[in-house]
Amino acid sequence: EAGVAQSPRYKIIEKRQSVAFWCNPISGHATLYWYQQILGQGPKLLIQFQNNGVVDDSQLPKDRFSAERLKGVDSTLKIQPAKLEDSAVYLCASSPTDNEQFFGPGTRLTVL
Amino acid sequence: QKEVEQDPGPLSVPEGAIVSLNCTYSNSAFQYFMWYRQYSRKGPELLMYTYSSGNKEDGRFTAQVDKSSKYISLFIRDSQPSDSATYLCAMNSGGYQKVTFGTGTKLQVIP
Repeated sequence: EAGVAQSPRYKIIEKRQSVAFWCNPISGHATLYWYQQILGQGPKLLIQFQNNGVVDDSQLPKDRFSAERLKGVDSTLKIQPAKLEDSAVYLCASSPTDNEQFFGPGTRLTVL
Repeated sequence: QKEVEQDPGPLSVPEGAIVSLNCTYSNSAFQYFMWYRQYSRKGPELLMYTYSSGNKEDGRFTAQVDKSSKYISLFIRDSQPSDSATYLCAMNSGGYQKVTFGTGTKLQVIP
């Protein structure tokens, strides 16, 4: 079974630039999550999709972050404009059930 | 006060030791408890998943939940250098509720 795919793996941008991350979940997984993991911290949920509907986006900074899940499969997360404090690893996860989450390798973002 | 507290470590033990990793939490609604292992520059990987109080064993790993004390533990027996990683506890109240993670404990097993 193929795992969760994410791209790019690494991205370096300057503050105020925009950036987009892509996630392809495990086939058949209805739930998709985007997390932000700052160095030395646990993952923090940004947004949770059930199929192509949003279940929870309470911690998504909506003035600069946006996410969509196309046709209930792939998803993109965008940051525009980026700030220095957005430097983190962005993890995508998918789940066939309500708790068993499978994580991708993450995208490491550095904002200069 | 954070909802989930976890000692960040680092924790350094000799190969073969028994390791105890712990988390405390404040939200009494939490019923599902998970432990993830995260190797450097990788995504977290689910190790153990338990519901409510009690113990669950899987090979060298044992997860323990004490809801009355709001305390969960992960024990690793006969620790191996390959167990060197960051261990994250995670929990939620069930259904499709948000999962809250601890900050992770970095473990190093020395050969």
